[in-house]
Amino acid sequence: DIVMTQTPLSSPVTLGQPASISCRSSQSLVHSDGNTYLSWLQQRPGQPPRLLIYKISNRFSGVPDRFSGSGAGTDFTLKISRVEAEDVGVYYCMQATQFPLTFGGGTKVEIK
Amino acid sequence: EVQLVESGGVVVQPGGSLRLSCAASGFTFDDYTMHWVRQAPGKGLEWVSLISWDGGSTYYADSVKGRFTISRDNSKNSLYLQMNSLRTEDTALYYCAKATTGWYFDLWGRGTLVTVSS
Repeated sequence: DIVMTQTPLSSPVTLGQPASISCRSSQSLVHSDGNTYLSWLQQRPGQPPRLLIYKISNRFSGVPDRFSGSGAGTDFTLKISRVEAEDVGVYYCMQATQFPLTFGGGTKVEIK
Repeated sequence: EVQLVESGGVVVQPGGSLRLSCAASGFTFDDYTMHWVRQAPGKGLEWVSLISWDGGSTYYADSVKGRFTISRDNSKNSLYLQMNSLRTEDTALYYCAKATTGWYFDLWGRGTLVTVSS
């Protein structure tokens, strides 16, 4: 199974300041079709997960442009350019390149 | 409205069985692969199973293989998860999720809680 490792576990951030979350996979996430099936999800307290980013860097419909994704191969990053109060929650990376699909352990973003 | 609504979660004893349902609306259900994902209390997300648009292909996490069966009824816009031989470690909030051809989950339900306890 591909293991997804996220750091940090927790990220206290001042409102208006940037935040960055790292996700590393135990194997390359490049699929034989040439795509990299790495996505990012946000889970606000008491809510179901919500898609933010797919295929490394594509923002999903309605996602604010302060969210961006980057990376390649085994190393990926989610950045929030200026954290807002509504960004509080847990963020997960997920790979769908290989079965079983696997998630990172989550990074909690909270306001200082 | 585009939505997924799960139901069927209850308290069940270890070794028991349960069937979860997920009702889809607002989109062409039989165009999409569907998944079940679970989240144990206070824990992260764990993928459980998927079924292709026509039900012809199914996949399972090793932790549920041989005990859980995913199915769908496209005429009823519904997804199911039959759960047998339940264990305490199956206790979780079970979400159904819609997947696109790009292998990302663009729509999630609010989940249904399964508690396995004696």
